[in-house]
Formats: sequence, structure tokens, C-alpha cells
Amino acid sequence: EVQLVQSGAEVKKPGESLKISCKGSGYSFPSYWIAWVRQMPGKGLEWMGIIFPGNSDTRYSPSFQGQVTISADRSISTAYLQWSSLQASDTAMYYCAKVQRGSYHKDAFDIWGQGTMVTVSS
Amino acid sequence: EIVLTQSPGTLSLSPRNRATLSCRASQSVSSSYLAWYQQKPGQAPRLLIYGASNRATGIPDRFSGSGSGTDFTLTISRLEPEDFAVYYCQQYGSSPLTFGGGTKVEIK
Repeated sequence: EVQLVQSGAEVKKPGESLKISCKGSGYSFPSYWIAWVRQMPGKGLEWMGIIFPGNSDTRYSPSFQGQVTISADRSISTAYLQWSSLQASDTAMYYCAKVQRGSYHKDAFDIWGQGTMVTVSS
Repeated sequence: EIVLTQSPGTLSLSPRNRATLSCRASQSVSSSYLAWYQQKPGQAPRLLIYGASNRATGIPDRFSGSGSGTDFTLTISRLEPEDFAVYYCQQYGSSPLTFGGGTKVEIK
């Protein structure tokens, strides 16, 4: 079974750093782009960026460029999303998602992780 | 950036009704790279339709997608109880990829 399993919920204070993870299984992890999608409470979906684990080629949405860092470790089939200094406005559910066609970064997302809730509060 | 506008914001219907959801793009979506997702409370989105009209694996044939250019439609031919959810369109022809604001299909 193809699946993405994300790390658990996090509660952090403003200014703290954080790295959440997304582990793929059941398919060739290096061969498919993995995206990160934000969903703020009660709101819609926002594409943050995407990485190709095979060579770590990464693209960011202009809205998130410089705000987060996307990385991957192909040896353990895991992608990451990290912040160096969290703000209250980063409070959201974060999903990772796999593209349908491996080599295309502009693609629909056929498999999603269960989501990681990040709460930033003093 | 392509802006996707979904309408209506909320659709109140009864089971067995037909649902028609609209997604309009601010500029043409290349190669009909338009997808639809369903999201239920507390769950991750699920891919329904890709390439504007192709059903994803395991999606019932009561779901259909159509359209091209700037106007796209998701139709649910006969609503089942499990279809009441929020639906999002997404364009993936141009970067950054963008989503519409969603249409909530609720029980009337």
C-alpha cells in the first residue's frame, strides 16, 4: 500500500524552531515529487512548495519562499518541512502529498499524509 | 499566479440530488491540468478528478469533471450521504500551483 505517514502534532512558542516529517512507503520514494500544503484553521488549501527526493530539487511558492525550508533524505524515504523561527500565524495543519506522475512537479496529488497540526502560542 | 474562484461557496442539497460545482480560473489552465479534491472534516483531501475529466483510482462514476480553458465543472450525479463534504479545485499547469477556496456541499 502506498502511503505517507507524517509526524505527530506539535505545540511550540513563537520564535522556536521546528522540523516536521513525512515518511513514504509502498513506492519508489526518490522518484516522485513530494509537496507540502498548508491549511489554516477553517480555511482552504495552500501549496507551499515541492521537492524531488531523488536529487533534492526544490521549488517554493513565492508566498512561502524564505519562510520555510523543504528537504528530504532519500535513504530513509522521508521529506521534511522546517521553520527557523515560528510565528503565531504559522498555526495550521500541514499536509504532505505525492504527485501522480513521478517526474512532473506540476501534477495532481494522488496520495496525502494524514496531516501534522502545528500550534504556535505563547 | 492563477487565481481559482469556486462557486457557490455553499451548496445545500438533499441525498439523491445532482450537484454542480464551478471553478473559474483567472487565466487559461494549460493542458487542462485541473484537479478536484474532496475533504471531509478531520481528514486529508482525496483526489477525485485529474486532467479536468479523469476519475482517480477508486472514485465512483457518479463523480464527473468537465471543462477547459478557464471554466471547469465537477458534477455529482446523485448525492450519497458520504458525499457531503468540501470540494476544492486545483490547477497544476502553472507554478505556483493554486487551489480554489472550496465549495461546501451540505445536507439540506
